[in-house]
Amino acid sequence: LAKTTQPISMDSYEGQEVNITCSHNNIATNDYITWYQQFPSQGPRFIIQGYKTKVTNEVASLFIPADRKSSTLSLPRVSLSDTAVYYCLVGGLSGGYNKLIFGAGTRLAVHP
Amino acid sequence: EAEVAQSPRYKITEKSQAVAFWCDPISGHATLYWYRQILGQGPELLVQFQDESVVDDSQLPKDRFSAERLKGVDSTLKIQPAELGDSAMYLCASSFPLGGGVGETQYFGPGTRLLVL
Repeated sequence: LAKTTQPISMDSYEGQEVNITCSHNNIATNDYITWYQQFPSQGPRFIIQGYKTKVTNEVASLFIPADRKSSTLSLPRVSLSDTAVYYCLVGGLSGGYNKLIFGAGTRLAVHP
Repeated sequence: EAEVAQSPRYKITEKSQAVAFWCDPISGHATLYWYRQILGQGPELLVQFQDESVVDDSQLPKDRFSAERLKGVDSTLKIQPAELGDSAMYLCASSFPLGGGVGETQYFGPGTRLLVL
């Protein structure tokens, strides 16, 4: 299973765009890249998922270069409520079943 | 919107006691996961079910932890006896479609926070 590396923490201010980059040099051909968000005392929440190029939804964009060895989660115009831990996961079939491994995540602090 | 249910939300117990956590996945989700999350760390997979069968319990401390999903719907995770180091958040997640697959999304419950004294 591919290991991911992401910054331990980031700081931003309200209204700014935040980009969190994740490295996954050993990503396999059938692996997807998924990002989750977690607030204190809550379970992780799915944000976005992609395989290649760019994916956009109502809350974020995910940029994946052609070699797929990294990905960038982009949060447009963050607010205080975006303060959370963001996890980058790379996963696919392992022994015939989907398996995801969480790292330590990136702690994003949004300041007024 | 359908959600994964977990109970209790909080549990305080003394070491050597038995504790049990319950999870009800989103209806129709065949795959169920139990994770343990220590404060400041990411979730760690303990056990994964496909319907009623365990497909991965390689990280489950089997001397004290057990998990079951008898009818392939809800699930129970038990610790007996509890140790101080078991204090953590226990998260349940479920996913679709059947059999797992690339690009599958896991939906997490609110978790059970366990404190062992």
